[in-house]
Amino acid sequence: DIQMTQSPSSLSASVGDRVTITCRASQSISSFLNWYQQKPGIAPKPLIYAASSLQSGVPSRFSGSGSGTDFTLTISSLQPEDFASYFCQHSYTTPYTFGQGTKLEIK
Amino acid sequence: EVQLLESGGGLVQPGGSLRLSCAASGFTFSSYAMSWVRQAPGKGLEWISAISGSGGSTFYADSVKGRFTISRDNSKNTLYLQMNSLRVEDTAVYSCAKEINHLPPGGLMDVWGKGTTVTVSS
Repeated sequence: DIQMTQSPSSLSASVGDRVTITCRASQSISSFLNWYQQKPGIAPKPLIYAASSLQSGVPSRFSGSGSGTDFTLTISSLQPEDFASYFCQHSYTTPYTFGQGTKLEIK
Repeated sequence: EVQLLESGGGLVQPGGSLRLSCAASGFTFSSYAMSWVRQAPGKGLEWISAISGSGGSTFYADSVKGRFTISRDNSKNTLYLQMNSLRVEDTAVYSCAKEINHLPPGGLMDVWGKGTTVTVSS
């Protein structure tokens, strides 16, 4: 199975900050990498698909990059509603696997 | 509005069975693959199974292979997960998700249900 290693596991930041979350695959997954946002008690919300494509309705402050094994999610200017958990997930083959998650907290 | 609504969760003893359902609305159900994903208390997300839009292809995580069966009834716009030989470690919130493709793998899970809770305990 392909393992997804996400870092950091938690991050404290302030409104307006630029933050970057990384995700590394244990083998090449081309661009089959997706990012989700999750808030407590709410279903995950898709943000980015195919490594860098913005899902419809997602603000442009979110962006994704990478290919092969190394990927990043960047939030250019944090807004209050962005404090949540973020997960990466590969869809290169089954079984799909998720990163362990990054909890983004207010500093 | 595109919507997924899970049901069928509950408390079951180890070794028992449950069948989860996921009712879909707002999109052409048969055109899209569907997945089940679970999240144990305080843990991350775990994909457990997927099925193609036609139902002809199914995929499982090793942790549930041979115990769980995914199926769908496109005439009823409903996805199912039959769970047998349940273990304590299967305790989790189970969510269904719509994929953007007809056939896994390769796509984003773009719509998720809110989930149904399964507790396996004696």
